Amino acid sequence: DAGITQSPRYKITETGRQVTLMCHQTWSHSYMFWYRQDLGHGLRLIYYSAAADITDKGEVPDGYVVSRSKTENFPLTLESATRSQTSVYFCASSESSFGSGDTFGSGTRLTVV
Amino acid sequence: DQQVKQNSPSLSVQEGRISILNCDYTNSMFDYFLWYKKYPAEGPTFLISISSIKDKNEDGRFTVFLNKSAKHLSLHIVPSQPGDSAVYFCAARANSGGSNYKLTFGKGTLLTVNP
Repeated sequence: DAGITQSPRYKITETGRQVTLMCHQTWSHSYMFWYRQDLGHGLRLIYYSAAADITDKGEVPDGYVVSRSKTENFPLTLESATRSQTSVYFCASSESSFGSGDTFGSGTRLTVV
Repeated sequence: DQQVKQNSPSLSVQEGRISILNCDYTNSMFDYFLWYKKYPAEGPTFLISISSIKDKNEDGRFTVFLNKSAKHLSLHIVPSQPGDSAVYFCAARANSGGSNYKLTFGKGTLLTVNP
């Protein structure tokens, strides 16, 4: 199916564990993004990528690692999960124009216990 | 330092009436503005956008107004329908070279349209 998919939808992990959230898009969009949504903060950018092998930090990158070896995939890794990383994570992709907004996945709800 | 502000956490309107959602920004480099709608347990979906060279953009029931001098934009929904009940996020994009495609979001406004 065409679109942007995130997996898993829900994840519970323990403090200190490494966890990877997956994001896959089928449009070959150049730009991909990871956001977290927290009550009282709205959506905050964690990392973004302008193309394969090109990534850059967003507003809240600490504790996260990304990679983009293929255009269609943009995994987000929490190297050592902390309770403050409990959040809903959204992946998004964008065309290389200002004509439309970013397209978001359905999100991953991560709980760190 | 919050660059995009949605000062109303919630708004309640009657079906058929107008909904007006407001957004203020502080960064003069922002030149493209977007509104997203988000239902619970779903990702945000793009609703409407406006370039800084315009002051109004209309798409069906949705109109976005931009006042650059006041650094203010608003989203008007007329007439409001119960299905419009959602969280609305204002977002902005700066024309800053390689980071053109980074969005800065407000905290969102929960719109409730009562039948």
